[in-house]
This record gives sequence, structure tokens and C-alpha cells, in this order.
Amino acid sequence: AQSVTQLGSHVSVSEGALVLLRCNYSSSVPPYLFWYVQYPNQGLQLLLKYTTGATLVKGINGFEAEFKKSETSFHLTKPSAHMSDAAEYFCAVSDHAGRRALTFGSGTRLQVQP
Amino acid sequence: GAVVSQHPSRVICKSGTSVKIECRSLDFQATTMFWYRQFPKKSLMLMATSNEGSKATYEQGVEKDKFLINHASLTLSTLTVTSAHPEDSSFYICSARVGETTNGYTFGSGTRLTVV
Repeated sequence: AQSVTQLGSHVSVSEGALVLLRCNYSSSVPPYLFWYVQYPNQGLQLLLKYTTGATLVKGINGFEAEFKKSETSFHLTKPSAHMSDAAEYFCAVSDHAGRRALTFGSGTRLQVQP
Repeated sequence: GAVVSQHPSRVICKSGTSVKIECRSLDFQATTMFWYRQFPKKSLMLMATSNEGSKATYEQGVEKDKFLINHASLTLSTLTVTSAHPEDSSFYICSARVGETTNGYTFGSGTRLTVV
């Protein structure tokens, strides 16, 4: 069984500040991990994913995440927040073979204050 | 590449009627599609997994007679909400697995269903 826990349903940062969105996972097999962003009434856009190899993954829009097996974490960061980053962010996990649907965390709403 | 087109984006229907939501893979063949439901300010809950040419696999608690899924071709999967009621109002999103060996998923833009 797989699960994802996102700590903090709401995160508020100032424009230009560091963004840190937390994600911890539980998986009985080596996981594939994803971060998605969702704008209101829209589908999900992939920010980045970890499958194998380098544990620091760089994604779009300046986001990156680091897979830490010892901590079962995959936190999302961005050095400097932009107003356009305000959205809902979902962490998700899939089984190693990628044959099953994604299991999503509960989501974190990011607010960016001017 | 790997685009899934979902229609309609919004639909309002009367209680008791049926609504069909379509998801098409535009530039790839989607042997597997997933249907999610998202409640307001909540995460995505998997409803069912559809495989081309076979019956869909529903998650526990999802009424298969209410949420009919058809995946008749490699580029089209449909979700029909039958005899819709206000409690079926939600945001429905489809997703397709991209490729058999690469672990990637692409999502439709979602359908906002309102049953009045």
C-alpha cells in the first residue's frame, strides 16, 4: 500500500521568499514520486518527478525536489516565490513499475503575498 | 506531446439525467486511463481504472452502475454519470499513463459537473 502525507494544507510566503512544501510518503516498493500544480478549475500540470538516479530533481518554473529515502521525504522547494506560483500543489506516489494510478496527498495551497 | 483532451469543461444538468464526459488522447495511444473525482478543497480520489477493450476496475465504494466507464478505443475513454443527483456534483479529472515503460502520467483539464 502507498500513501502520501503533505504537511500543511496552507502555506503563505512573501514574494521573493523561499517556498518549501513538505511531502512524506509510504511505500512497500521503491516509489516513483511526483509533484503536480493545479490552478482553479483546471487539471494537473506536472512540475517534476523522481523515478531513479539523481535524487535532486529539477522541474519547471524553478522548482526542485530532493528524494530522501532515509527520511521518506520528497519536499518541494523554490528559492524565490513569484505571485504566479499561487496555486494548489499535490505530491503523488506510484508503484515502481508505474502500472497503477497515482496516489495523491491532500494538497497544499500556496499563497504568495506581495 | 502526450496531451489528453477532456470535454466538456463545465456541465450543468438536471437531477435524474445522465452526463457523459469524454477524454481523448490526442497524440498517443492510451491503453490505460484513470478517472478521479475531486471534492472542493480536497485531493483527487481515484474512482476507476479503465483499460482499452476490457471492463473498468472500480475502487471500493464507487458505484459502477452509476459511474459507467467505457474505453472502447486506444484514444477515447468516457465516464457517464447516470441518473445524476446533486451529491454527484464534483470536479472529475481523467488521466492517462504515457507509454508502457516510462513512468509518466498526463491529465485532462477536468470537468466541473453541477447537478441541480
